[in-house]
Amino acid sequence: GDSVTQMEGPVTLSEEAFLTINCTYTATGYPSLFWYVQYPGEGLQLLLKATKADDKGSNKGFEATYRKETTSFHLEKGSVQVSDSAVYFCALSASGGRSGSRLTFGEGTQLTVNP
Amino acid sequence: DTAVSQTPKYLVTQMGNDKSIKCEQNLGHDTMYWYKQDSKKFLKIMFSYNNKELIINETVPNRFSPKSPDKAHLNLHINSLELGDSAVYFCASSQGRAGAYEQYFGPGTRLTVT
Repeated sequence: GDSVTQMEGPVTLSEEAFLTINCTYTATGYPSLFWYVQYPGEGLQLLLKATKADDKGSNKGFEATYRKETTSFHLEKGSVQVSDSAVYFCALSASGGRSGSRLTFGEGTQLTVNP
Repeated sequence: DTAVSQTPKYLVTQMGNDKSIKCEQNLGHDTMYWYKQDSKKFLKIMFSYNNKELIINETVPNRFSPKSPDKAHLNLHINSLELGDSAVYFCASSQGRAGAYEQYFGPGTRLTVT
């Protein structure tokens, strides 16, 4: 079945540091890939997405590129802020068809940014 | 205006009780979902409805019964609650059933069974 593997957390960085959170996936066909972010006590918000190979998703300074050859979708940000502290989830969604689509999530990576 | 709302936000109850969680979306979407987030923050799909039709039903105890009275609402009823049901339950919606559509999540309902 489909699966997503994220780098183990937690991750602690100083403000303005470079961020990478690794994500690899296993899926049949050509899934869509997503990064969601969960701030404390809140639901998940879509951060960015990519729907086909070599697509780059970007939002709020975060970027991730859909790499089919390495089955990866690593999240990067050049300069993190304290407000980026949250849990980040990598997820995939297969094409679904009649049975619909579901998000398959990675384990989540807790990011803490210190001033 | 809240896009996906859930009630209640917190639910504390005793083992053996029956409880319901309600979800409403005002985005005009036709597909809705229930996910469960465990204590380690792992998220797993439970159910999905498209136009009031159940299209995803994961391996979930039959004590859990979803109901979708219309496209904008998806409720979750849980019978005979057990300690292991303690979790955060998230409702989500999307424009369609295809995988490329992003899902919009509600704020979650934290269920604690004592």
